[in-house]
Amino acid sequence: AQKVTQAQTEISVVEKEDVTLDCVYETRDTTYYLFWYKQPPSGELVFLIRRNSFDEQNEISGRYSWNFQKSTSSFNFTITASQVVDSAVYFCALSEGAFRGKLIFGQGTELSVKP
Amino acid sequence: EAQVTQNPRYLITVTGKKLTVTCSQNMNHEYMSWYRQDPGLGLRQIYYSMNVEVTDKGDVPEGYKVSRKEKRNFPLILESPSPNQTSLYFCASSLDGPGPGQGVVSYGYTFGSGTRLTVV
Repeated sequence: AQKVTQAQTEISVVEKEDVTLDCVYETRDTTYYLFWYKQPPSGELVFLIRRNSFDEQNEISGRYSWNFQKSTSSFNFTITASQVVDSAVYFCALSEGAFRGKLIFGQGTELSVKP
Repeated sequence: EAQVTQNPRYLITVTGKKLTVTCSQNMNHEYMSWYRQDPGLGLRQIYYSMNVEVTDKGDVPEGYKVSRKEKRNFPLILESPSPNQTSLYFCASSLDGPGPGQGVVSYGYTFGSGTRLTVV
């Protein structure tokens, strides 16, 4: 069965600290896709990144970076030099190749960045 | 502007009064979906649609109906709303497509702004 676990319910950091949000997934498919979404206090869901199971290359986008490790079924998200605007709920999600349109979310991690 | 539009943004209704939340996308996406978000439970998929007239249940379909008569529209229908359907609802669309072998390349969902529904 497919499952996404975000064990950290809430994280609080001080501005400029680095922070890593953990995501562990379970799937029996060899082809799957992993995503991160951001939900700021305004409530909308913003797409951040998509990663294919056959591409383990890590990705960096500005202060954001993602570490995909198939060996540990993890897809962790790191924010470097956090800012107050990074305060949001972050969701990790999984889509299996065999289940078209079915996207499973983790419970979310609420990140609070204090000035 | 490419977007998913859902209406209304806020709705307060009474138990048992049928309601429809509309969803429309202008990106010609094949896949559409409805999610509900509840504190402590995250986002759960209600229904999804792979194309016109093709729909399937997600994880929490009870009490909801959907239809996909046109590619761009995917309304969510609550025939007899109950207080446990008070939630934040999101519509989403995705340009998934054929991938290697029989798999599907998933591009992830683009979400609407949400509908906050309160059933009293």
